[in-house]
Amino acid sequence: EAGVAQSPRYKIIEKRQSVAFWCNPISGHATLYWYQQILGQGPKLLIQFQNNGVVDDSQLPKDRFSAERLKGVDSTLKIQPAKLEDSAVYLCASSSTGGGYNSPLHFGNGTRLTVT
Amino acid sequence: SQELEQSPQSLIVQEGKNLTINCTSSKTLYGLYWYKQKYGEGLIFLMMLQKGGEEKSHEKITAKLDEKKQQSSLHITASQPSHAGIYLCGARGSSNTGKLIFGQGTTLQVKP
Repeated sequence: EAGVAQSPRYKIIEKRQSVAFWCNPISGHATLYWYQQILGQGPKLLIQFQNNGVVDDSQLPKDRFSAERLKGVDSTLKIQPAKLEDSAVYLCASSSTGGGYNSPLHFGNGTRLTVT
Repeated sequence: SQELEQSPQSLIVQEGKNLTINCTSSKTLYGLYWYKQKYGEGLIFLMMLQKGGEEKSHEKITAKLDEKKQQSSLHITASQPSHAGIYLCGARGSSNTGKLIFGQGTTLQVKP
């Protein structure tokens, strides 16, 4: 099966600019996650979708970050305006909820964002 | 909130040597997941442990879960250069959530 697809792979922007990331999960996976991974740290959850509804966005900086999954399939994450501290790898993951919440998360290759 | 602590933070071993990475949770574990990450890439799922005392193996990698100690260990036997990378443990904070909380990672280098 095709894995989680993310684009772009790399992005360099100046602070105060905006940027958007795209993710297409594994076919049939109802749950989609966006994580932020700062260099040297483990991934931190930004937002979790179940189909097209938000399950958890408690750690999303809502003044500058937004995410949507309008048709319950692919998703976009946007940052506007970007700050230097947003430099990180943004990882998208998906999981099947067929077995309850026991299914592992499958990750894409991520988008490496550098804010200058 | 739940926290996962991994030890050691980094490890350099000679090819052929065995090694162990530990992951300790501050709260009850509802499933423990091990992932491997190569620099600049996404996380690759290795193994999932759900029950206390459970042990799983994949090739030369074995993971165990000690539910009482809220701890898991990942053991690599006869390490190879292909084992190099960052190993991350992830855990569910409750039984009714899909999200994983991750440790900070353990960086493994294997010297030929």
